[in-house]
Amino acid sequence: SQTIHQWPATLVQPVGSPLSLECTVEGTSNPNLYWYRQAAGRGLQLLFYSVGIGQISSEVPQNLSASRPQDRQFILSSKKLLLSDSGFYLCAWSVGGSGYTFGSGTRLTVV
Amino acid sequence: GENVEQHPSTLSVQEGDSAVIKCTYSDSASNYFPWYKQELGKRPQLIIDIRSNVGEKKDQRIAVTLNKTAKHFSLHITETQPEDSAVYFCAPASGGSYIPTFGRGTSLIVHP
Repeated sequence: SQTIHQWPATLVQPVGSPLSLECTVEGTSNPNLYWYRQAAGRGLQLLFYSVGIGQISSEVPQNLSASRPQDRQFILSSKKLLLSDSGFYLCAWSVGGSGYTFGSGTRLTVV
Repeated sequence: GENVEQHPSTLSVQEGDSAVIKCTYSDSASNYFPWYKQELGKRPQLIIDIRSNVGEKKDQRIAVTLNKTAKHFSLHITETQPEDSAVYFCAPASGGSYIPTFGRGTSLIVHP
């Protein structure tokens, strides 16, 4: 069966520090992969999506970047975090126009 | 791009009542209509979905109905229970690449 792993679950980082969040998927090949951010309140903001290795589309210009070094690995990074980067980060995958399966999320607090 | 609206933004019901959440969309090419449930502090989870060739789908106490002409689809929950309390999102999408547009969410509160 397909599973998605996302870590860490929580993270407290100082302003200006780097960030690396990792997401891996098991049990499927060539998934579409996504990074979302959910700020206070409840909206889901699409940050990046990828339809294949090395293929990254950015939806929102910001100081974040994403990479897909392997078929089932998606990484969200930042060189220097801002206070406004705080939020709940969710990785997700889908295959063939089906619904999303979300990871368990990373709650990031930038202090 | 797709314009998605959910109504109501908050819905408060008594246990045992029914709840209906409506999602309107603008892109006539949308052909996939899912609903997600997000409990407090947890990830959103797909609870039911429907494709454009079907008008209604049921799964126990939940159902989704689609009106493609009017461009809206609705989530129906019958015999609500306190554990149904959560934020519900619609996310219509079109095409095989599947980049949905999420609604802003509806907070459902079920009072015991």
